Amino acid sequence: GAVVSQHPSWVICKSGTSVKIECRSLDFQATTMFWYRQFPKQSLMLMATSNEGSKATYEQGVEKDKFLINHASLTLSTLTVTSAHPEDSSFYICSARDHSEKLFFGSGTQLSVL
Amino acid sequence: GESVGLHLPTLSVQEGDNSIINCAYSNSASDYFIWYKQESGKGPQFIIDIRSNMDKRQGQRVTVLLNKTVKHLSLQIAATQPGDSAVYFCAEVPTAKKVTFGTGTKLQVIP
Repeated sequence: GAVVSQHPSWVICKSGTSVKIECRSLDFQATTMFWYRQFPKQSLMLMATSNEGSKATYEQGVEKDKFLINHASLTLSTLTVTSAHPEDSSFYICSARDHSEKLFFGSGTQLSVL
Repeated sequence: GESVGLHLPTLSVQEGDNSIINCAYSNSASDYFIWYKQESGKGPQFIIDIRSNMDKRQGQRVTVLLNKTVKHLSLQIAATQPGDSAVYFCAEVPTAKKVTFGTGTKLQVIP
């Protein structure tokens, strides 16, 4: 199946700093990628839809200035958590659809903000 | 396409037995469904999919059943193994619309 690579797999940062997470589709082009947040023992919560070459579409309640998304190419989307605070600590996951509509996920990034 | 966070239901199964994980979906217009397996600390892994023009699809040790009348999806795992322990999500994919995820079921395999 298609491969979606997410990096880093975990990151620890100080409060107030920014963290960038990368999501790459390795063997297919993805005009659309998705970013999720997941709390322990809970399901995936869609944060935003990343559109190649245009602005991301954010879900209700997600601060676009807090979670910056850039989708500059057909294989790369980035999520930057700006001025991170402890409440931003979470598991962040990206996904992308291939040409057959199958949705593949990255391995996730565990963010811990001290 | 977001799923409200809830505490996960748990299914405990003896090793070697068959497991059945159920999922109810909401959108009758959904025409594509996917089952995922998520191990702790990892991203969801694609298991099997089914389109709405099918009632059943089989993979290696897994079978997905789709009942469109009652909007119900199930995942059957044959001869469950300890490595099958994980959280399982269903996803419904309406054409050109956002994916909606089920709340997930935690499968515990008892050796």
